[in-house]
Amino acid sequence: NAGVMQNPRHLVRRRGQEARLRCSPMKGHSHVYWYRQLPEEGLKFMVYLQKENIIDESGMPKERFSAEFPKEGPSILRIQQVVRGDSAAYFCASSPGLGRTLNIQYFGAGTRLSVL
Amino acid sequence: GENVEQHPSTLSVQEGDSAVIKCTYSDSASNYFPWYKQELGKRPQLIIDIRSNVGEKKDQRIAVTLNKTAKHFSLHITETQPEDSAVYFCAASKVQAGANNLFFGTGTRLTVIP
Repeated sequence: NAGVMQNPRHLVRRRGQEARLRCSPMKGHSHVYWYRQLPEEGLKFMVYLQKENIIDESGMPKERFSAEFPKEGPSILRIQQVVRGDSAAYFCASSPGLGRTLNIQYFGAGTRLSVL
Repeated sequence: GENVEQHPSTLSVQEGDSAVIKCTYSDSASNYFPWYKQELGKRPQLIIDIRSNVGEKKDQRIAVTLNKTAKHFSLHITETQPEDSAVYFCAASKVQAGANNLFFGTGTRLTVIP
């Protein structure tokens, strides 16, 4: 059973370009979470999605950032018109559900975004 | 929202000694507290978790304690080994419909000196 898969592992963008980060959850998991980690800091929650639904986007900036988890295919975190402050590691996690023991989150290896 | 504080930020111990990392949380409704280990450049990996209906949980050399009244929980690593060196994060969440996101502490960099 493959773990949470994220790609690309490293992404370099120039200011003003778009960044698209992809996340395929573990098999059987229908809940996806995105977190951002700045250097030497903890992980900060951004958005929580289920298939075709955004459940909680309270941690995601309202401008330039969007996320989706379509019926088919991976979850996508999209950052438009990137700025240097967007440089960070973006981690995706997935869980089977919400009930007891089902809420455990397993993390992908992350995408390290560098904005030049 | 939830606020999780973690101490210390760095911790050095001699191999074989014990290490203790402490976290506090602000939201009394939080009921799930996982601990993650992150090695340099790697993914966070769950090492142990505890739910609010128990006060202590142990898995070999790792144990976690929870004090709901004081709203703090701690990670204990006994007989530390060099491979325990990593950054450890505590987290808290409310496991309920529509709310499962984790609020993380700022991390503790543990160094085990051989």
